[in-house]
Amino acid sequence: EVQLVESGGGLVQPGGSLRLSCAASGFTVSNSYMTWVRQAPGKGLEWVSLFYRSANTYYADSVKGRFTISRDDSKNTLYLQMNSLRPEDTAVYYCTRDDYNSNWNWGQGTLVTVSS
Amino acid sequence: QSVLTQPPSVSAAPGQKVTIPCSGSSSNIGNNFVSWYQQFPGTAPKLLIYENNKRPSGIPDRFSGSKSGTSATLGITGLQTGDEADYYCGTWDTSLSAGVFGGGTKLTVL
Repeated sequence: EVQLVESGGGLVQPGGSLRLSCAASGFTVSNSYMTWVRQAPGKGLEWVSLFYRSANTYYADSVKGRFTISRDDSKNTLYLQMNSLRPEDTAVYYCTRDDYNSNWNWGQGTLVTVSS
Repeated sequence: QSVLTQPPSVSAAPGQKVTIPCSGSSSNIGNNFVSWYQQFPGTAPKLLIYENNKRPSGIPDRFSGSKSGTSATLGITGLQTGDEADYYCGTWDTSLSAGVFGGGTKLTVL
């Protein structure tokens, strides 16, 4: 059974950094397309970043240059390093395993709050 | 402002049918597969439809998807109160080199 467990969220001041983790089980992250999606409180879904194959990465314009997606194959874990955080980055962050051109499996999400 | 356009809300009576449209452009819906997601308050989204009109295992055939040109539609028949949720369309945007979602549609079953 595929499972995705996000962690690392919390309260951070504007300009600060945070690293989110997504521990995967039931499949191999290195063989999969993996995405981060976020949802601000009371708002809709926002695509954030995609990692696939050896080192192919894509980012939303809103996070480009500030966020970095990566993975540790030995830990079967996906990461999202978030720097220069802004209040508008406040959201629940979900990681997804993608298949058939879709966000097929979703984690439970981790809340990031950027506030002073 | 979402790249894909959905109505903020739709409503229908139990047992009836409802459709939720999703409008895009040639750089996204027009040339890529569309997915649909269902989200209940406080929970993670769930995949309902993939590759425009296919249902993952376990999704009832009351849910259907279609695509024509730069628009896609989610259909739900035999509405139940348990279908009340937010629904999102999503796809890849070739020009942006990024995934995109619609703003979401809140379904109310009256």
